[in-house]
Amino acid sequence: QQQVKQSPQSLIVQKGGISIINCAYENTAFDYFPWYQQFPGKGPALLIAIRPDVSEKKEGRFTISFNKSAKQFSLHIMDSQPGDSATYFCAADGNQGAQKLVFGQGTRLTINP
Amino acid sequence: ETGVTQSPTHLIKTRGQQVTLRCSSQSGHNTVSWYQQALGQGPQFIFQYYREEENGRGNFPPRFSGLQFPNYSSELNVNALELDDSALYLCASSLVMGETQYFGPGTRLLVL
Repeated sequence: QQQVKQSPQSLIVQKGGISIINCAYENTAFDYFPWYQQFPGKGPALLIAIRPDVSEKKEGRFTISFNKSAKQFSLHIMDSQPGDSATYFCAADGNQGAQKLVFGQGTRLTINP
Repeated sequence: ETGVTQSPTHLIKTRGQQVTLRCSSQSGHNTVSWYQQALGQGPQFIFQYYREEENGRGNFPPRFSGLQFPNYSSELNVNALELDDSALYLCASSLVMGETQYFGPGTRLLVL
């Protein structure tokens, strides 16, 4: 019940296209859903996060869509650029914001120029 | 303001040995969490320290232990190393408990 399932495992998108990564969870106690970006040799860096009281959050080219009833959330990257090529992780936390994150398995995103 | 730093960057140990990994949290951050990231997987929560006290632990055996010092830096100790302990160990800090975590670059541990 602590799992967060992420798909796809890998994704190739043309430059300028929309990249979409999906996550699903089971634990209804989760109340914080961040997305992290990780480049090779680096630690994960927070991209954007959402709480279940809203259905969508947008920051620049990055948007989180959240469906509480389906227990799913997704990351959309608009106008994808080669510099967006990285591994993306969704995560969830249900400890009243104590940041004991449960991560998905990751999506390796490649943006072709 | 410096970010989260970890040392060493890489480490090779043999099965049965003990290892200590170190983390310096971002300036002023009083909460430190440790994660294990196996190759091709997402990070897994090991434990969290808040004001020098353990504040929650993931599904890791007792041979994984930690410390947080008065300056909020932290150590992760692993005893009786096993081959499956080979992973990237990530430290993350936050200004106060519950706020955004900032990750360090990790320590790559290889157990032979």
